[in-house]
Formats: sequence, C-alpha cells, structure tokens
Amino acid sequence: GAGVSQSPSNKVTEKGKDVELRCDPISGHTALYWYRQSLGQGLEFLIYFQGNSAPDKSGLPSDRFSAERTGGSVSTLTIQRTQQEDSAVYLCASSLGGGDSNQPQHFGDGTRLSIL
Amino acid sequence: ILNVEQSPQSLHVQEGDSTNFTCSFPSSNFYALHWYRWETAKSPEALFVMTLNGDEKKKGRISATLNTKEGYSYLYIKGSQPEDSATYLCAFRRAGGTSYGKLTFGQGTILTVHP
Repeated sequence: GAGVSQSPSNKVTEKGKDVELRCDPISGHTALYWYRQSLGQGLEFLIYFQGNSAPDKSGLPSDRFSAERTGGSVSTLTIQRTQQEDSAVYLCASSLGGGDSNQPQHFGDGTRLSIL
Repeated sequence: ILNVEQSPQSLHVQEGDSTNFTCSFPSSNFYALHWYRWETAKSPEALFVMTLNGDEKKKGRISATLNTKEGYSYLYIKGSQPEDSATYLCAFRRAGGTSYGKLTFGQGTILTVHP
C-alpha cells in the first residue's frame, strides 16, 4: 500500500521567506509526527498529532514554526521568516494509534530544506 | 532532557562478520525502545519495538535485546552483508508526562559492510 508521502522532496529558498512542507500519512494512521535532522545532528522531535487531541508542540524550536493537521489526515508544517539554521531534512512519520499504543512509526522520504 | 546514547558512532566490518552495537537510555520511566534502520536516500524503516525487560526480538539476521533496569539495548547483526550498510537508530519513549507519542532518538550508529 501507499506509504507516507512528503512534498516537496527538495526546497531551496531565500532567508526570510515562508515555506510550507506537506505530509500525507498512511491511510488509517491516527498519529502523525514531524522531525528534523540538521547537518551532523540526530533526529529531533518537532510536533505530534494524535486524533482530535491537542497536538504536542513541545519540540517546535521557535514561534516561527507551526503545523496543522486537517481532517485528521494531511499535515502542513509552516516555517515563517526562514533562517539559515532552519536548513535540515524534515521528516514526517505516522503510526497506527499513538498515546499508549506501541506501534512503529512509518517515515516518509523527507523534505530537504536549504535556506540561502 | 533525555539522553539516548548510541555506540559506536560508526563501524566498518567485512562481509560475513557478525557485529553489535549499543543503545543506552534512561532506566526510569521506561515505556518503549524502538530500533530503526536508515539507508542512504531512503526513509527510516522500523526494525523493532521493545517494551518488556528481557525482551529479545529477531528479524532475519538481525536481533535485539532489552534491559530496562540498567537502561540499554543491544542490536546484533549476524553474518553482515553489504546491504546491511545503513545508520541504525534507537529511540526511547518515556512513560507518563504529556508527550505520549514522543520518541527521543539517539545519534545513530553508521554501519558500513565491506564486500
């Protein structure tokens, strides 16, 4: 079946511009996660959506970052007024259930974001 | 801040060698430990989700063990093949708190298997 789909796969933009990254999770997966990997760093948690519950935004690095998930499916991560330190690979993952379930996460191929 | 440490950082082995690497994590408030394999130009792929102390899981030539009391997990690869070359990531999930689904990842072990 279809896996987690992310778009665009690559994005190059100028410092100060806003960017939107999209994630289409696996159908039926109620949990959706955003991570990023900056150069030389590990995977860093950004935000987690579970069903209709309020998202866990504890990993968002600044108020320039926001995310929404419409209709419990597609999610958009928005970065406003991009800075060079925002350059990273942004990965989205989904899983069957979140909360107290222990399902593995299924990852998309990521969006490589480069800020000039 | 949760510390999830993986060692070694990188590893080079010859085809046919068996190898293992370590993930250490907080021994308190344990909920689950995940292992993922991340090949270059691909997305991370789930290997195991481990929840019980003493758990041992196996998938083909890859197996993993879990010790929640001392806070470590080992990943073993038997008879390494070049296609096993990848970054192996472990991720810790904490019990309680408000971040139910949050995984804290280690930095990964980069495995290169030479033909």
